[in-house]
Amino acid sequence: AQSVTQPDIHITVSEGASLELRCNYSYGATPYLFWYVQSPGQGLQLLLKYFSGDTLVQGIKGFEAEFKRSQSSFNLRKPSVHWSDAAEYFCAVASYNNNDMRFGAGTRLTVKP
Amino acid sequence: EAGVAQSPRYKIIEKRQSVAFWCNPISGHATLYWYQQILGQGPKLLIQFQNNGVVDDSQLPKDRFSAERLKGVDSTLKIQPAKLEDSAVYLCASSSVTGGRETQYFGPGTRLLVL
Repeated sequence: AQSVTQPDIHITVSEGASLELRCNYSYGATPYLFWYVQSPGQGLQLLLKYFSGDTLVQGIKGFEAEFKRSQSSFNLRKPSVHWSDAAEYFCAVASYNNNDMRFGAGTRLTVKP
Repeated sequence: EAGVAQSPRYKIIEKRQSVAFWCNPISGHATLYWYQQILGQGPKLLIQFQNNGVVDDSQLPKDRFSAERLKGVDSTLKIQPAKLEDSAVYLCASSSVTGGRETQYFGPGTRLLVL
């Protein structure tokens, strides 16, 4: 079965600095990959997804992610972080023939003024 | 378009009591999911419905958890009796398919505290 590892439990960045959140997946075939964001007390909001094609995916709120098959990674990036980006970020992987979505444990982002 | 609706948003109960959560998916979404998210962890799938049929309930603790989606729209998730370890956020999601690919959209969740 597929699985996801988010190596960083907590990351702190200064407002205006760049951001990269790491995600590594395990899956034998072509994965479907997602990044979700969860603000305190809120549900999960889809930031972006990768199914196929261009390996650099653009999402909402200025986020992008790059699929690297050779590294089994799908890291999330943002060039300049805003205070409102402080939240929990989840990477998820789903298989092709079923919709069994597995989530990572999440990375909590703190933004310093 | 309206999102996935869930109620209640918060619930506090004592162990061994029963509790029920309600979910109304996005209109037209045939697939509905219930997830359990324990504090500090990512969501874990409990059950998946396709219309009113169960597709996957392999991770649902069936001795105490039950779920139904009688008319293929709204769904309820019940816990009876609740245990302390059931304290979590219960997320409902529904999905749409575009170009043969599925995307899940999540509701705000129900936060359950079992005392």
